[in-house]
Amino acid sequence: AQSVTQLDSQVPVFEEAPVELRCNYSSSVSVYLFWYVQYPNQGLQLLLKYLSGSTLVKGINGFEAEFNKSQTSFHLRKPSVHISDTAEYFCAVRGLSGGYNKLIFGAGTRLAVHP
Amino acid sequence: GAVVSQHPSRVICKSGTSVKIECRSLDFQATTMFWYRQFPKQSLMLMATSNEGSKATYEQGVEKDKFLINHASLTLSTLTVTSAHPEDSSFYICSAQPPAPVRGPNEKLFFGSGTQLSVL
Repeated sequence: AQSVTQLDSQVPVFEEAPVELRCNYSSSVSVYLFWYVQYPNQGLQLLLKYLSGSTLVKGINGFEAEFNKSQTSFHLRKPSVHISDTAEYFCAVRGLSGGYNKLIFGAGTRLAVHP
Repeated sequence: GAVVSQHPSRVICKSGTSVKIECRSLDFQATTMFWYRQFPKQSLMLMATSNEGSKATYEQGVEKDKFLINHASLTLSTLTVTSAHPEDSSFYICSAQPPAPVRGPNEKLFFGSGTQLSVL
């Protein structure tokens, strides 16, 4: 089975400041890792994903994340945030094996960008 | 990119009635669909996995007789909340998975825009 822990339920930050949203996972099998963003009353939008290869992955809207296998982490970063980045961010893990191919979400981190 | 249409986006119903939510993959065939529910300010919790032509697999704690899932075609899955009660009020989201590629990772999932169910 897999699980995802998002260490911060809320992250307040000022506009143009850098931000890091933390995510740790556990799994008995190899996994794919994802970050999604959800704006109020909307579905999910994929920000980025790690499947294999380079541990630093770049996504949309200037976000990037680094996969660290030894620390089982997949933290999301952005060097300079905008007001429009205010949203809920979900880290998710999906096992590679057939019996573990469910997408499991973390509890979410509310990013609040202030002017 | 691939599109998943979920309908309705919002529904209000009386306690005791049943509500059907549709999830359609518009430009690809979805061999597998997943149904999630999300309570306010909480994460998405997987309810069930639906494979076309077979019975859905429900997660522990999800009542299969209350949340009926039908995946009759490769482009449509439905979730019916039977005898809805106020505690069933939630945001329901579906996701659809296209067939696995011959080579390479099989990681693609496309999400619907969600259905806000309010039971009075």
